Amino acid sequence: DQQVKQNSPSLSVQEGRISILNCDYTNSMFDYFLWYKKYPAEGPTFLISISSIKDKNEDGRFTVFLNKSAKHLSLHIVPSQPGDSAVYFCAARITGGSEKLVFGKGTKLTVNP
Amino acid sequence: NAGVTQTPKFRILKIGQSMTLQCAQDMNHNYMYWYRQDPGMGLKLIYYSVGAGITDKGEVPNGYNVSRSTTEDFPLRLELAAPSQTSVYFCASSYLTSGAFDTQYFGPGTRLTVL
Repeated sequence: DQQVKQNSPSLSVQEGRISILNCDYTNSMFDYFLWYKKYPAEGPTFLISISSIKDKNEDGRFTVFLNKSAKHLSLHIVPSQPGDSAVYFCAARITGGSEKLVFGKGTKLTVNP
Repeated sequence: NAGVTQTPKFRILKIGQSMTLQCAQDMNHNYMYWYRQDPGMGLKLIYYSVGAGITDKGEVPNGYNVSRSTTEDFPLRLELAAPSQTSVYFCASSYLTSGAFDTQYFGPGTRLTVL
C-alpha cells in the first residue's frame, strides 16, 4: 500500500508562473515531510521540509503547505525557472526515531522558457 | 568534502553473479541508508545503519546483505543477482542526535542491470 502518493506524474508550467506540486499521505504517524529534487543521473537533493506541527514553511522561492486534516501537502515554486525542471519527490518520516523515509513516486516538473 | 560517493556508476551482471556496491561518506554521519529506485517509482529502503556494527532491514531487504565496519563505509552485497534487482541504487547518509531531525544526503547512484 502506498503511504505517500503523488498522483500527478508530470506537470508543465511557463517560466515565471507558479508551480504547485501535490502530495497525499495515509499514515498519521509521520512527523516530518520533505521534498527532494532530482535531476537525471544524479541523486536526490533535499529541498525543503516541514514538521507535522507546522502548516507552512518557506525558503526563498519554495513554500511547503501542510493540511493535516486532509493529509495533504503541497510545494509551491514562485516564480518557476527553467532550472527547476526536475523530478520532485515527496517523502515522509515515520515518528519514533527510526529515520526511515517513505517516498512518493515523484512528479516530473517541466518549466518552459 | 566529497559528500556521499558510490562506485561503480554502472554495472551489468549476469543472473546468478554476485557483486558489491560501494558507498562512502566523509561527513562523519552516523546514519547510512541504501535505497533502490525502479522506473516510475519512488525510492524504497533496502537496509539502513545507525552506526558502525549496527544494521537493520528496510522495506525491501530480500536478496541483499550489508555490513558497517566503519563510520565511513556501507557496502551493499548482492549474492545471486536476479533480473528483479535491475534498478538504480542510491546510498544516503545523515547525522542524527536524540530528538533531532536531519535531512538525508544522497550519492549519485549506481545503475545496475541484471541480464
